[in-house]
Amino acid sequence: QKEVEQDPGPLSVPEGAIVSLNCTYSNSAFQYFMWYRQYSRKGPELLMYTYSSGNKEDGRFTAQVDKSSKYISLFIRDSQPSDSATYLCAPRRGGSEKLVFGKGTKLTVNP
Amino acid sequence: GAVVSQHPSWVICKSGTSVKIECRSLDFQATTMFWYRQFPKQSLMLMATSNEGSKATYEQGVEKDKFLINHASLTLSTLTVTSAHPEDSSFYICSTQGRAGEKLFFGSGTQLSVL
Repeated sequence: QKEVEQDPGPLSVPEGAIVSLNCTYSNSAFQYFMWYRQYSRKGPELLMYTYSSGNKEDGRFTAQVDKSSKYISLFIRDSQPSDSATYLCAPRRGGSEKLVFGKGTKLTVNP
Repeated sequence: GAVVSQHPSWVICKSGTSVKIECRSLDFQATTMFWYRQFPKQSLMLMATSNEGSKATYEQGVEKDKFLINHASLTLSTLTVTSAHPEDSSFYICSTQGRAGEKLFFGSGTQLSVL
């Protein structure tokens, strides 16, 4: 079983839709959970960062972590064409441990 | 503004030559830097972890003599692809982390094409 599983999509939604992106993981030692956004041929950009279980909201973005089920989610409200990118979940065990990336989900928001 | 500066953004080279990629931490002292490789439509794969002043730690399957990493200062790490071959063509990305932070910031990436 891979440490991090993420549906690669592609996912296509109309502008204004609510988008749900998800990952599952197998390593119960993961404590930090990141979501990155990557545009084509660019480095990943940190979107959200959550420690342990719970929710975190930042503007149109909400990150959820459920450690009991090892499930990570990112919600995007009122999606915009500029949100079109690949979204990568990346948990890690400790503050200085390496990130383990999911495959990424390619999202297209159609105007 | 950018936290990490990576250069060059793209490079084309002949097979057998060496290529150096630089990664600079702009806003903080990066005690740890990570080097990733990403093939088309694939996720980022960690190649090595470099700590300032010590030897890099390479992931399984990554040749340390082929991918030379130097982390000589708290703001600069370099990756040198030695004797590059077409199969080394890929997107290389560095990331940095400060002393107290859990967040990793990434460079803009380097597209390497070996002819």
